[in-house]
Amino acid sequence: DIQMTQSPSTLSASVGDRVTITCRASQSISSWLAWYQQKPGKAPKLLIYKASSLESGVPSRFSGSGSGTEFTLTISSLQPDDFATYYCQQYTTFCNFGQGTKLEIK
Amino acid sequence: EVQLLESGGDLVQPGGSLRLSCAASGFTFSSYDMSWVRQAPGKGLEWVSAIRVSDGSTAYADSVKGRFTVSRDNSKNTLYLQMNSLRVDDTALYYCAKPRTSGWVFDSWGQGTLVTVSS
Repeated sequence: DIQMTQSPSTLSASVGDRVTITCRASQSISSWLAWYQQKPGKAPKLLIYKASSLESGVPSRFSGSGSGTEFTLTISSLQPDDFATYYCQQYTTFCNFGQGTKLEIK
Repeated sequence: EVQLLESGGDLVQPGGSLRLSCAASGFTFSSYDMSWVRQAPGKGLEWVSAIRVSDGSTAYADSVKGRFTVSRDNSKNTLYLQMNSLRVDDTALYYCAKPRTSGWVFDSWGQGTLVTVSS
């Protein structure tokens, strides 16, 4: 099975900051990686697919990069609405998720 | 507008059974593979099961294989998850999820239905 590891587990930041979340796969997944945002009590929301493709309607301050085993999600300028938990997901063989990164207000 | 509405969650004793349903609307249900994803309280996301539209083939996470069965009724636009031999660690919010195109990137999710396994 492919294991997905996110870092950090928790990230404290301020409005306006540029933040980066990293996701590492235990083996190469090419670009078959997605990112989701989840707020408390809500279902996950798709942000990025195929490592760097922005889902329709997602603000352009979100971007994804990487291939193979290392990937990043970057938020260029944090907005109040961005404080949430973020999950990466590989989808080569079936799918599985990283453990999540909680983005907190500093 | 895509809508996915899960139901069937309940409190059940270990070893018990439950059937979850997901009523879909706003898209051509019969054209999409569908999945179940769960989230234990305070924990992360875990893909559980999927059913393909092309041949009806199914897939399961190792943690539920042999105990859960996914099925669909395209005439009713409904996805099901039959859960048998339930364990305490099956306690979770169960989401129904629709992919963007095919497969495993989920662009639409239901609100979830809570399954609690406890004596």
